[in-house]
Amino acid sequence: AQSVTQLGSHVSVSEGALVLLRCNYSSSVPPYLFWYVQYPNQGLQLLLKYTSAATLVKGINGFEAEFKKSETSFHLTKPSAHMSDAAEYFCVVTGGGNKLTFGTGTQLKVEL
Amino acid sequence: SQTIHQWPATLVQPVGSPLSLECTVEGTSNPNLYWYRQAAGRGLQLLFYSVGIGQISSEVPQNLSASRPQDRQFILSSKKLLLSDSGFYLCAWSVVGSGETQYFGPGTRLLVL
Repeated sequence: AQSVTQLGSHVSVSEGALVLLRCNYSSSVPPYLFWYVQYPNQGLQLLLKYTSAATLVKGINGFEAEFKKSETSFHLTKPSAHMSDAAEYFCVVTGGGNKLTFGTGTQLKVEL
Repeated sequence: SQTIHQWPATLVQPVGSPLSLECTVEGTSNPNLYWYRQAAGRGLQLLFYSVGIGQISSEVPQNLSASRPQDRQFILSSKKLLLSDSGFYLCAWSVVGSGETQYFGPGTRLLVL
């Protein structure tokens, strides 16, 4: 079985500041891990995914995430926030089957 | 390239009325298809998934049903809507062997009054 916990339902950063969205997972098998982004009234867009290759995964829009097995974490980062990054972000885990387990989401607010 | 369509984009329906939401995928064959519901302020809940024509698995007991009449078409239905059916409905597809990456459609906003 898999589960995922996103720490902080709301995160606020200043434009140009570091973005750090936290995700911890639990999985009884080697996991696949994903980050999706959802803009208001839109579907989910894949940001990046980890599938047991490189532990540091680079995604779109300057985001990246690092898989740390010892910490069971997959935190999402971006060096410099932009106003267009304001959205909801979901951490997702699967054990390789076709069922994804979603976190409850983190709403990112970017302030001037 | 693959694209996924959902319609309608927005729907307002009275309680007790029927529902039909449609999802179609282009540019791939024999995809796995999924219906999710996202209620306000909550995460995504998997409702149904399908690995082939006529093959539907239900994840949550409810008054909704799903059908897959064609390889790349997935329909979500209800005979009588409830207030609690309001939400944002998302369709997704994946291909076996892709690391189970799911790709989402634009969604349908349903409001039941």
